[in-house]
Amino acid sequence: ELKVEQNPLFLSMQEGKNYTIYCNYSTTSDRLYWYRQDPGKSLESLFVLLSNGAVKQEGRLMASLDTKARLSTLHITAAVHDLSATYFCAVDNYGGSQGNLIFGKGTKLSVKP
Amino acid sequence: ETGVTQSPTHLIKTRGQQVTLRCSSQSGHNTVSWYQQALGQGPQFIFQYYREEENGRGNFPPRFSGLQFPNYSSELNVNALELDDSALYLCASNRKNTGELFFGEGSRLTVL
Repeated sequence: ELKVEQNPLFLSMQEGKNYTIYCNYSTTSDRLYWYRQDPGKSLESLFVLLSNGAVKQEGRLMASLDTKARLSTLHITAAVHDLSATYFCAVDNYGGSQGNLIFGKGTKLSVKP
Repeated sequence: ETGVTQSPTHLIKTRGQQVTLRCSSQSGHNTVSWYQQALGQGPQFIFQYYREEENGRGNFPPRFSGLQFPNYSSELNVNALELDDSALYLCASNRKNTGELFFGEGSRLTVL
């Protein structure tokens, strides 16, 4: 059974600092996704990582994928308050239908001035 | 803009009742998936529809059922509601040829 683990689950940062969120998954998967969710809102797609060594960057967020280690990271550079949200990673449930994702529990990020 | 819309946004039901949630997506989105997100948890896959047929199901009982229509709309039906069915229900649609999954704004169901 595919499992996805994120850590930390809670992260309190000061503005201007850097930090990394980790996502480990238990079995082979074709794609890894990162989503952002604001309180009471839906999921916003941030990144889709398709291959080993893939790196994508958007603004202060950078995501990478190591399929051999079954590990993805979401690095936050010089955090600002607007990045406060819950971040989820998810992987394709290998052998399942496309669109069948297994999500981690999420990392609740709070950026304080 | 994800191109995925859901209705209603909020609703309250009582235990034992039935509920229908609706989702529509744009042309070019060839599959629709439904997820349940309990408070403080990650979304859990309920099922997926492709070309109007169920094409994968998560660990949910048969009282969770769905339909997909030719006009890219979809329904999630839940019978015999239980208190634990209280959650945010999310509809997601794949964009053809990219596999990227886009989510609607969700329907928040409260069961009393």
